[in-house]
Amino acid sequence: SQQGEEDPQALSIQEGENATMNCSYKTSINNLQWYRQNSGRGLVHLILIRSNEREKHSGRLRVTLDTSKKSSSLLITASRAADTASYFCATDRSGYSTLTFGKGTMLLVSP
Amino acid sequence: NAGVTQTPKFQVLKTGQSMTLQCAQDMNHNSMYWYRQDPGMGLRLIYYSASEGTTDKGEVPNGYNVSRLNKREFSLRLESAAPSQTSVYFCASSSPDIFYGYTFGSGTRLTVV
Repeated sequence: SQQGEEDPQALSIQEGENATMNCSYKTSINNLQWYRQNSGRGLVHLILIRSNEREKHSGRLRVTLDTSKKSSSLLITASRAADTASYFCATDRSGYSTLTFGKGTMLLVSP
Repeated sequence: NAGVTQTPKFQVLKTGQSMTLQCAQDMNHNSMYWYRQDPGMGLRLIYYSASEGTTDKGEVPNGYNVSRLNKREFSLRLESAAPSQTSVYFCASSSPDIFYGYTFGSGTRLTVV
């Protein structure tokens, strides 16, 4: 069963705009990770946020985590056409040794 | 280049045929995983191997078997392929340091007709 659910399913923006994707999950987690998948390629790890962290930055990426609401958001600032991809959240659930992935958000950044 | 290598990249099988998907990593990772990705379903875990010599079922193991041949290699076998196994299969590996997440291969696109 899916642990994480991303929202929206698809997002279309212009270059230079910010893109925000959300992820909700159901059970307690140790950490939450975000991955990017370009069309026809494997997933690439972007960032990890631990359950005791509330916000994390990496370059143009900003991730927040609200464990009380069981939700996370990924913000990509100043989007570029090269950011066009699908983005997945993945949770490392307490008591489990594997990641459970959501269904992803498809981001289209137009020049 | 360091990473996860999957072969083949594409495969078409007839219903009832068998095949083995190969996966090898050169990062000295302990853990390896097989996921399948279907439209609208995200990634679902088929089997995983936490360390050499161990394998465990994931969410959707029926119809599949795995072998952790050594620390580097983790293969996925379809004994009697069915159309429902048409999917893109991804192998991944990870180290005990979760900070770096999983490293994925580029996938095998399998069609069962």
